[in-house]
Amino acid sequence: KAGVTQTPRYLIKTRGQQVTLSCSPISGHRSVSWYQQTPGQGLQFLFEYFSETQRNKGNFPGRFSGRQFSNSRSEMNVSTLELGDSALYLCASSLDSDEAFFGQGTRLTVV
Amino acid sequence: GQNIDQPTEMTATEGAIVQINCTYQTSGFNGLFWYQQHAGEAPTFLSYNVLDGLEEKGRFSSFLSRSKGYSYLLLKELQMKDSASYLCAVIRDYKLSFGAGTTVTVRA
Repeated sequence: KAGVTQTPRYLIKTRGQQVTLSCSPISGHRSVSWYQQTPGQGLQFLFEYFSETQRNKGNFPGRFSGRQFSNSRSEMNVSTLELGDSALYLCASSLDSDEAFFGQGTRLTVV
Repeated sequence: GQNIDQPTEMTATEGAIVQINCTYQTSGFNGLFWYQQHAGEAPTFLSYNVLDGLEEKGRFSSFLSRSKGYSYLLLKELQMKDSASYLCAVIRDYKLSFGAGTTVTVRA
């Protein structure tokens, strides 16, 4: 059984650009959640999707958005990138907010 | 914030036992997770507690007291590879909130 797959693994963008990250959950999992991890702030919740519906979101600006498709795959988008958006972005999947398993993450560097 | 508190660092000797405590606000609590994270890697799922009591998985055990807002992760027969950050996380309304993590260093 394949784990959570995130693409790309590494990304370098310049300020002002936008970026889209992808997450494919474990087969059968319908919940996907996204997190930002930085050395200073730790792991911060971005949003959670279940069956294409966002059920909760964290305290991030509107530049951060996401969506989930009918096959449970999810994408998150960050527009107008800032230097402070440099972080490891992690997604986790679960059946329904129970045992949540993380992907390897996308390391985003904004220059 | 969610006031999830855990010690910053702990050091123990190979073969020993270490207990990592975690306290949290009890309002809206749905469940508690423990994750292990090695430097530069993604968190790895260790345990998920919903009900009070102790759950054992090999060398790792996790305990929960919902009324006290308290959990601990017990690592037995410590090995060098157990040196990592251990994250306590609480789920409320589909939102997983993490503590800052406890860095465990295992010494020979």
